[in-house]
Amino acid sequence: ETGVTQTPRHLVMGMTNKKSLKCEQHLGHNAMYWYKQSAKKPLELMFVYNFKEQTENNSVPSRFSPECPNSSHLFLHLHTLQPEDSALYLCASSHLDRGTEAFFGQGTRLTVV
Amino acid sequence: AQTVTQSQPEMSVQEAETVTLSCTYDTSESDYYLFWYKQPPSRQMILVIRQEAYKQQNATENRFSVNFQKAAKSFSLKISDSQLGDAAMYFCAYTLNTGTASKLTFGTGTRLQVTL
Repeated sequence: ETGVTQTPRHLVMGMTNKKSLKCEQHLGHNAMYWYKQSAKKPLELMFVYNFKEQTENNSVPSRFSPECPNSSHLFLHLHTLQPEDSALYLCASSHLDRGTEAFFGQGTRLTVV
Repeated sequence: AQTVTQSQPEMSVQEAETVTLSCTYDTSESDYYLFWYKQPPSRQMILVIRQEAYKQQNATENRFSVNFQKAAKSFSLKISDSQLGDAAMYFCAYTLNTGTASKLTFGTGTRLQVTL
């Protein structure tokens, strides 16, 4: 098993659909993150979880709803998305420590039609 | 707010040659970390090298080294003896040393092409 695993790798959904992205880490980390990567823009931090508690929400619209049931799993629930939400969604994890590097999954390529 | 700027959208280097990717950042803090991440076509971000701001010595990892100029807020990546497998997007990133989660601020990336 790789360190950080994301499923699905690709997702196409309509604007009225509800779907979820899943992230799982096997590195013993206690912090997890969702990032959004859009074309020609820097990666944007969306949510941060420390020990299952959400510590940051970077003004993300409510149509994105994160869930962290334990330190190893992170979900991003999606509903009534817009076409501009199409992007690569990357999950990452790290130790809750100073400057420790984050380990990333391979991302979910989301297309909203 | 902290910002990270990569002014080279694309770079090209011949195999076995050396290339330098530029990165500047803006922060009013003195204690932070800087990173270079590589994103190949597989899309997974892979850490290339890390620099702690309070260390004056430039970090090195095999063929990869950085030129960290704290006063100038510059953090360039040098790749020596370039290989075909080095072709990827390279992202410079910053995180404040807060003792909590490592929240990264990224630049827009530089696409590196390696030619024969």
